Amino acid sequence: DAGVTQSPTHLIKTRGQQVTLRCSPKSGHDTVSWYQQALGQGPQFIFQYYEEEERQRGNFPDRFSGHQFPNYSSELNVNALLLGDSALYLCASSPTAVSEQYFGPGTRLTVT
Amino acid sequence: GENVEQHPSTLSVQEGDSAVIKCTYSDSASNYFPWYKQELGKGPQLIIDIRSNVGEKKDQRIAVTLNKTAKHFSLHITETQPEDSAVYFCAASHSGGGADGLTFGKGTHLIIQP
Repeated sequence: DAGVTQSPTHLIKTRGQQVTLRCSPKSGHDTVSWYQQALGQGPQFIFQYYEEEERQRGNFPDRFSGHQFPNYSSELNVNALLLGDSALYLCASSPTAVSEQYFGPGTRLTVT
Repeated sequence: GENVEQHPSTLSVQEGDSAVIKCTYSDSASNYFPWYKQELGKGPQLIIDIRSNVGEKKDQRIAVTLNKTAKHFSLHITETQPEDSAVYFCAASHSGGGADGLTFGKGTHLIIQP
């Protein structure tokens, strides 16, 4: 049984560009959350998707948006990239009505 | 919003000794407290969690304790082994029967000295 998968593994973008990151949840999981982890810091909650809708949102600007598809996979989009957006972006999935979140390996985004 | 403080930032222990990492949280409504282990180049791995209706939970060499009154919870690792070396994160959330966004501490770099 595959765990949470994310693509791509690494990405380099230029300031001002837009980026899309992808996540496939663990089998049987329908809730997907996205986190940003700056170097040397703990992950910060961006938002969570359930039933194809944004269920919760952390303290991130609306440059950060997302989508969940009928097969529960999800995308994170970031517009107008800033240097400060350079980070590891983590996706976590969980089954309905269960608190445990299981993380993928992350996508390392570098903005130059 | 919730704020989670974690100490120490670095912890070095001899192989076979015990390690303790401590966290405090600010929101008394938080009721779910997981601990994650993150190895270099990997995503966080859930190692143990505790809910506010339980004071202590143990899984082999790992235990977590929770003091709701003090808003304090701790991770205890006994008989440490080299493979325990990693960064450990505590987290907190409201859990109304579903997965809520987690608020993480800044992490503890645990070093096991041979």
